[in-house]
Amino acid sequence: EVQLVQSGAEVKKPGESLKISCKGSGYTFTSFWIAWVRQMPGKGLEWMGIIYPDDSETTYSPSFQGQVSISADRSISTAYLQWSSLKASDTAMYYCVRREGTWFDPWGQGTLVTVSS
Amino acid sequence: QTVVTQEPSFSVSPGGTVTLTCGLSSGSVSTSYYPSWYQQTPGQPPRTLIYSTNTRSSGVPDRFSGSILGNRAALTITGAQADDESDYYCVLYMGSGISVFGGGTKLTVL
Repeated sequence: EVQLVQSGAEVKKPGESLKISCKGSGYTFTSFWIAWVRQMPGKGLEWMGIIYPDDSETTYSPSFQGQVSISADRSISTAYLQWSSLKASDTAMYYCVRREGTWFDPWGQGTLVTVSS
Repeated sequence: QTVVTQEPSFSVSPGGTVTLTCGLSSGSVSTSYYPSWYQQTPGQPPRTLIYSTNTRSSGVPDRFSGSILGNRAALTITGAQADDESDYYCVLYMGSGISVFGGGTKLTVL
């Protein structure tokens, strides 16, 4: 079964750093792009960026360029989303999802990030 | 920046047919944007319904169908059921590895 399993919920303070993870299984991890998607409370889905784990080629949405960093460790089939200095406005659910061609499937279960002083 | 537009909300009667659409702030949606559609219920990750305009994902009932209608992508639900009450999102592929989500449509079945 193709599966993406994300790390658990996080509660952080403004200014702290954070790295959340997404582990793929059931397929060749290096052969498919992994995207990250944000969903702020009560809001819609936003495409943040994408990485190809084989060579770590990365593309960001202009809205998220410079705000987050996407990386991957092919040796453990894991992709990451990282912040160097969190803001309250980063409070959201974050999903990773595999890109199949030009669509997205399957989805991880989501990681809830709460940033509050 | 390109904006992908969807109806904020829609309602349909049980057993009825509804068509949700997905457009561009500037220009027309064509198959070249490879539109895909996702269903999300509260507290759950999205579920893939349709990709490449009109291909149903595995396990998706055939009452869900995708198409291009005029200058927009469309998701049609035929014979709506109570558990179709969800948020629906379209995604357009812009090229150069970039995809953009629409704002989502909240579908009510009543």
